[in-house]
Amino acid sequence: AQSVTQLGSHLSVSEGALVLLRCNYSSSVPPYLFWYVQYPNQGLQLLLKYTTGATLVKGINGFEAEFKKSETSFHLTKPSAHMSDAAEYFCAVIQNTGFQKLVFGTGTRLLVSP
Amino acid sequence: GAGVSQSPRYKVAKRGQDVALRCDPISGHVSLFWYQQALGQGPEFLTYFQNEAQLDKSGLPSDRFFAERPEGSVSTLKIQRTQQEDSAVYLCASTNSGAEAFFGQGTRLTVV
Repeated sequence: AQSVTQLGSHLSVSEGALVLLRCNYSSSVPPYLFWYVQYPNQGLQLLLKYTTGATLVKGINGFEAEFKKSETSFHLTKPSAHMSDAAEYFCAVIQNTGFQKLVFGTGTRLLVSP
Repeated sequence: GAGVSQSPRYKVAKRGQDVALRCDPISGHVSLFWYQQALGQGPEFLTYFQNEAQLDKSGLPSDRFFAERPEGSVSTLKIQRTQQEDSAVYLCASTNSGAEAFFGQGTRLTVV
């Protein structure tokens, strides 16, 4: 079975600082990988996804992630944090059982201070 | 519709009550998923529909949980005899192709 590990339940950064949210996955087959963002009392919004092709994926709001097969990682980065980035971020992998069932990590709450 | 719509947004139930949570997926989306998100946790899979067929219900935590999608569009998640451990946000997602799931805003269920 596939699983996702997100290191750190909370991350605090200053506005303008680099954001790095870590995600490692376990999978016996090439995975589909996702990052979702969740604002308070909201559903999940897709930030970016990796399926095939280019390993550096650019998403919305200036975020990007790089798929590194050798490290089984899919870390999310943003060069300069903005106050509006404060939210919970979830890494997820599709379990390749023939349909698109997502397996999520436990999430990382990003706090941005002025 | 423009997005996935869930109702109600908030539900408070007394322990032992039955509840029904509704999901209106994006029009034309074949696949529909239900997830349960406990406080401070990531969403966990409950069940999956392809059109009206429930193809996987392996994530339903007990036989008190039941889901249906009789006409292949709107889905209802029913929880019978609610317990405190059922308190969570219940998320619905729909997808058609391209491996991108669109989520609703969720229903926050509080069992008191």
